[in-house]
Amino acid sequence: NAGVMQNPRHLVRRRGQEARLRCSPMKGHSHVYWYRQLPEEGLKFMVYLQKENIIDESGMPKERFSAEFPKEGPSILRIQQVVRGDSAAYFCASSPQETNTEAFFGQGTRLTVV
Amino acid sequence: QQQVKQSPQSLIVQKGGISIINCAYENTAFDYFPWYQQFPGKGPALLIAIRPDVSEKKEGRFTISFNKSAKQFSLHIMDSQPGDSATYFCAAGSSNTGKLIFGQGTTLQVKP
Repeated sequence: NAGVMQNPRHLVRRRGQEARLRCSPMKGHSHVYWYRQLPEEGLKFMVYLQKENIIDESGMPKERFSAEFPKEGPSILRIQQVVRGDSAAYFCASSPQETNTEAFFGQGTRLTVV
Repeated sequence: QQQVKQSPQSLIVQKGGISIINCAYENTAFDYFPWYQQFPGKGPALLIAIRPDVSEKKEGRFTISFNKSAKQFSLHIMDSQPGDSATYFCAAGSSNTGKLIFGQGTTLQVKP
């Protein structure tokens, strides 16, 4: 009965590199959400996905950020050409199909851009 | 309209005391109000949640009080323990969208 699995737990990238963050939802969950948490701040919604569909990406920066949740495999949050301001903890959450608000979070990926 | 305001920012309580954290929202479309507990270096863990059709929900030492007319809700931690020391986030969501809007967080310290 594994929870939401995120990897890597820690990721260091140089400015200009790409960062790929992975999230496997809880078994039986078909809704995935990505949130970003800056130091000493609350979580900010980024994107909401179901299998092969982006439902709501209103919190995603318009450039350099993209997300997908393919039919097979984990959800991926991709950040191209990272900058120092991208340094944050990125959390993935999942919820079951019948209640798309009761969300369970993973341990997060802490991205550091040097 | 999408904001959730949380207070206080930090709270110190003696062991055995009651911890109270308050949140206020603006968007009347919100219909789900969870509280999350987060320890350093960990992800937020769902603690307790309420929907607007009830005014109070209790689970063990944790109680949510909900005031629909005032658009406010609060978390009460009874008999607070040092192990409760963590950051607590309130959130509000809509069943239509699934996404959660989080408060800024309250860092709770329970002194032994």
